[in-house]
Amino acid sequence: DGGITQSPKYLFRKEGQNVTLSCEQNLNHDAMYWYRQDPGQGLRLIYYSQIVNDFQKGDIAEGYSVSREKKESFPLTVTSAQKNPTAFYLCASKSGPGDQPQHFGDGTRLSIL
Amino acid sequence: AQSVTQPDIHITVSEGASLELRCNYSYGATPYLFWYVQSPGQGLQLLLKYFSGDTLVQGIKGFEAEFKRSQSSFNLRKPSVHWSDAAEYFCAVGPLEGGGNKLTFGTGTQLKVEL
Repeated sequence: DGGITQSPKYLFRKEGQNVTLSCEQNLNHDAMYWYRQDPGQGLRLIYYSQIVNDFQKGDIAEGYSVSREKKESFPLTVTSAQKNPTAFYLCASKSGPGDQPQHFGDGTRLSIL
Repeated sequence: AQSVTQPDIHITVSEGASLELRCNYSYGATPYLFWYVQSPGQGLQLLLKYFSGDTLVQGIKGFEAEFKRSQSSFNLRKPSVHWSDAAEYFCAVGPLEGGGNKLTFGTGTQLKVEL
């Protein structure tokens, strides 16, 4: 079955540590997105990529980094510069321009030890 | 700037009762509107979408939404709620083309269903 796989489901970070969240899709979608979800705040866009080897900052990119070396993969690194990383992180993908909606993975919950 | 307001943070309904979740948006061009549902610890599932055509759109799980341009609203409705509908519901707006197809989400409405 086609879909978006996020791993791990739960992740713990120590102070001063970088961690990387994985997002893989086998939908052959061009565009991929990373969102952060906090209680009562909805989803906020961190980074997005419309094509391989290209990505743009979203609304809350500070303290995060991404890469898009392959069409199917869009990993997110939460750096030590992100002072409040505890949140639920959602990855989404979309089949290029047009009226296709974004499809979401099941998320990764990141917590601080 | 585009924005979405979901004025109800929590709603409780009895099973079998009707449901309406409110969504108001602010968007400079023709909006492309969505409703998504999220179960605890899960990702978002698309319920329905609207860009043009009939202003009453049907979605999955018996949900429908009505686009009212004059009121900048896109309210979600269901005639008879089931206990399995308890979840969080998000309204979103974005462009059909361009701008990275970035979506702006509301803060969500948590639905509780009383048996």
